[in-house]
Amino acid sequence: GAVVSQHPSRVICKSGTSVKIECRSLDFQATTMFWYRQFPKQSLMLMATSNEGSKATYEQGVEKDKFLINHASLTLSTLTVTSAHPEDSSFYICSARSKQATEAFFGQGTRLTVV
Amino acid sequence: QKEVEQNSGPLSVPEGAIASLNCTYSDRVSQSFFWYRQYSGKSPELIMSIYSNGDKEDGRFTAQLNKASQYVSLLIRDSQPSDSATYLCAARMSGNTPLVFGKGTRLSVIA
Repeated sequence: GAVVSQHPSRVICKSGTSVKIECRSLDFQATTMFWYRQFPKQSLMLMATSNEGSKATYEQGVEKDKFLINHASLTLSTLTVTSAHPEDSSFYICSARSKQATEAFFGQGTRLTVV
Repeated sequence: QKEVEQNSGPLSVPEGAIASLNCTYSDRVSQSFFWYRQYSGKSPELIMSIYSNGDKEDGRFTAQLNKASQYVSLLIRDSQPSDSATYLCAARMSGNTPLVFGKGTRLSVIA
């Protein structure tokens, strides 16, 4: 099956700093990547959808200037949480899909803790 | 508003029994349906996908889809303690649209 690698798996940062999360498709070209956030005991909430070479489409209520998404290549997308605050602490998960596929594959997730 | 509804559980079944997980969706144009398993602190992993009405079997898992009733289910036969996890139902319209997830059902298989 397709492999999606997400890094780092866990990060602790100070309030006010920025954190970058990488999502790589290792054995396929990810024309579309999705970024989700999951709070404890909650379901995955879609934050944004990005197509390679285009600006990301953000879901309602997600601040595009705070959650910067870059999808400059077919194998890499990044999510940068800028000026992180404790309420941004969550489990962030990326998902990638190729143009031909109906299924999307998830990365391992990143546990972000802002102190 | 596209919604996918699941009973949050917990659903407890004894080892060896059949676990039945249910899901309904609100958007009639949804065409693709997925079941994911998520262990605590881990990312979801795909178990089954189903696109046509009827049953689809893969090992101990059977997905059932009824588009008229907007209903998807997952049956797990011979449940094992290792099946204990949260099961997420997801639906998607055709094309490049993102998945819409339910809140998940927590399954506990008791040895």
